[in-house]
Amino acid sequence: EAGVAQSPRYKIIEKRQSVAFWCNPISGHATLYWYQQILGQGPKLLIQFQNNGVVDDSQLPKDRFSAERLKGVDSTLKIQPAKLEDSAVYLCASSSQPGAQETQYFGPGTRLLVL
Amino acid sequence: AQSVAQPEDQVKVAEGNPLTVKCTYSVSGNPYLFWYVQYPNRGLQFLLKYITGDNLVKGSYGFEAEFNKSQTSFHLKKPSALVSDSALYFCAVRAVRYGGSQGNLIFGKGTKLSVKP
Repeated sequence: EAGVAQSPRYKIIEKRQSVAFWCNPISGHATLYWYQQILGQGPKLLIQFQNNGVVDDSQLPKDRFSAERLKGVDSTLKIQPAKLEDSAVYLCASSSQPGAQETQYFGPGTRLLVL
Repeated sequence: AQSVAQPEDQVKVAEGNPLTVKCTYSVSGNPYLFWYVQYPNRGLQFLLKYITGDNLVKGSYGFEAEFNKSQTSFHLKKPSALVSDSALYFCAVRAVRYGGSQGNLIFGKGTKLSVKP
């Protein structure tokens, strides 16, 4: 089965510019996550979707970050305007059903460098 | 609040020797524990998880982990390391709160495993 797809793989922008990332989860997976992984740290959850609804966005910096999953499949994460501290790897993950026992499957990530 | 600690930034072992990557956790409810591995420029790959039952969990690529409730630990182990095991390993915990609601998956900061030939 195909894994989680993400694009682009790398992005370099200047501060105050905007950027968007795309994620296509594993087919049939209703739950989708976006994580931010800063160098030297573990991934930190930004937002969780269940189908096209937001379950948890408590750690999403909503003044500059936004995410959507309009049709309950693909998702986009946007940063506008970007700051230097947004330099990180943005990981998308999906799972077939939410729950404490769920296994999340991760995409390769998008590495963002903000200059 | 729940948290995960990986006390070692780096672990170095010789090929063929046993390896241990340490993880301790702190949760207020019952813990669900996970190990993931990350190769350079790749996403995280699931290795194994502890839900309930047998304290020794077997996972992918010959890895296993032992859940120790009294020590709040979930150390990752492998009897004989391979050079190809060299990667970044992340421990993660999710707490199941009393009443059944689940918390988010919280990751440790990672441990770099280096296996030398």
